[in-house]
Amino acid sequence: SQTIHQWPATLVQPVGSPLSLECTVEGTSNPNLYWYRQAAGRGLQLLFYSVGIGQISSEVPQNLSASRPQDRQFILSSKKLLLSDSGFYLCAWNMDRGFYEQYFGPGTRLTVT
Amino acid sequence: LAKTTQPISMDSYEGQEVNITCSHNNIATNDYITWYQQFPSQGPRFIIQGYKTKVTNEVASLFIPADRKSSTLSLPRVSLSDTAVYYCLVGLPYGGATNKLIFGTGTLLAVQP
Repeated sequence: SQTIHQWPATLVQPVGSPLSLECTVEGTSNPNLYWYRQAAGRGLQLLFYSVGIGQISSEVPQNLSASRPQDRQFILSSKKLLLSDSGFYLCAWNMDRGFYEQYFGPGTRLTVT
Repeated sequence: LAKTTQPISMDSYEGQEVNITCSHNNIATNDYITWYQQFPSQGPRFIIQGYKTKVTNEVASLFIPADRKSSTLSLPRVSLSDTAVYYCLVGLPYGGATNKLIFGTGTLLAVQP
């Protein structure tokens, strides 16, 4: 069966510090991978998605970036965090067939102070 | 992308049937209707998907009228553990560069004892 992991689970970082969040998927090959952010009391905002190694599409211009160094690894980064980067970050995967059934990870709660 | 409209919140009591309606007046011919459930501090979880008429699984039923301009998620005999945010999404069932999940703010269902 497939599983998706995210770490860390929670993170408190000062403004201006770097960020690296990691997501890995097990039990499948060549998945589509996604990063979402959810602010408190809001819906999910799609940040990045990837259909293959090294292929990243950005949805929202900001100070975040994403990379996919391996087939089942997706990394969200920032060089300098802003207060507005606080939120709940979710990684998800799916396959092209059955696209609307995405599988989400447990999430990372990021607080920028 | 078809836009969806849902009530912001609903209240219910344990043991009652709950119906959450979603409007999607601009749904395209090939679009499917998908519902997700999200508990606090967790990623959304796929509940059910349908194209027309009625779909039922072990968790919920989805009713879609002939014109497909709305859909109703039905949760039978809710319990306290069904308290969550429910999202309605509309789109193509397969992937591709232009197909993306768009999560709105959803419907917060609060189940009381």
